Amino acid sequence: EIVLTQSPATLSLSPGERATLSCRASQSLSSSLAWYQQKPGQAPRLLIFGASNRATGIPARFSGSGSGTDFTLTISSLEPEDFAVYYCQQRSNWPYFGGGTKVEIK
Amino acid sequence: QVQLQESGPGLVKPSETLSLTCTVSGRSVTTYYLNWIRQPPGKGLEWIGYIYYSGSTNYNPSLKSRVTISVDTSKNQFSLKLNSVTAADTAVYYCEIAGYWGQGTLVTVAS
Repeated sequence: EIVLTQSPATLSLSPGERATLSCRASQSLSSSLAWYQQKPGQAPRLLIFGASNRATGIPARFSGSGSGTDFTLTISSLEPEDFAVYYCQQRSNWPYFGGGTKVEIK
Repeated sequence: QVQLQESGPGLVKPSETLSLTCTVSGRSVTTYYLNWIRQPPGKGLEWIGYIYYSGSTNYNPSLKSRVTISVDTSKNQFSLKLNSVTAADTAVYYCEIAGYWGQGTLVTVAS
């Protein structure tokens, strides 16, 4: 079983700041990792697939990087609508999710 | 435009079977892996399992003994059955295909 560990659990930032979210896998995933954004009362929205590919309609301020066991989601300059919970998900045989990182307004 | 809609009872009694259906429009279910995911209130996302249109399935080992996912290609739908439910199965249940998600449906397990 591949375990995904997201850090930090909570990130307190101000609009305009840069957000860096980490997702670490217990085994190599190659590039089979996705990132999702979830706002209260809404379904998750796909942001990134294949570790670094933006999904359709996702703004360029969102970027993903990494391979193997260490992955990063970067939001270059936080907009008010970006404050939410972010999940990584491995896209392998068992597509488990990480525990999530909450990006909150400082 | 791809749309997914979950349907089924919002209240299930303990020990009974939870049954949900996902109706897909804008995309054929014969193209992708069809996933069920759930989220207990205030908690994170838990992958339940998936089915491929051919009928092959893969389930979360923690739920495998209680889960069945099936597909009806003629109706462009896939379904989830979870038996012997307890309060711990109370959650919002989502269906998902290739990054497209349904809005989710809250299922409460209570007598």
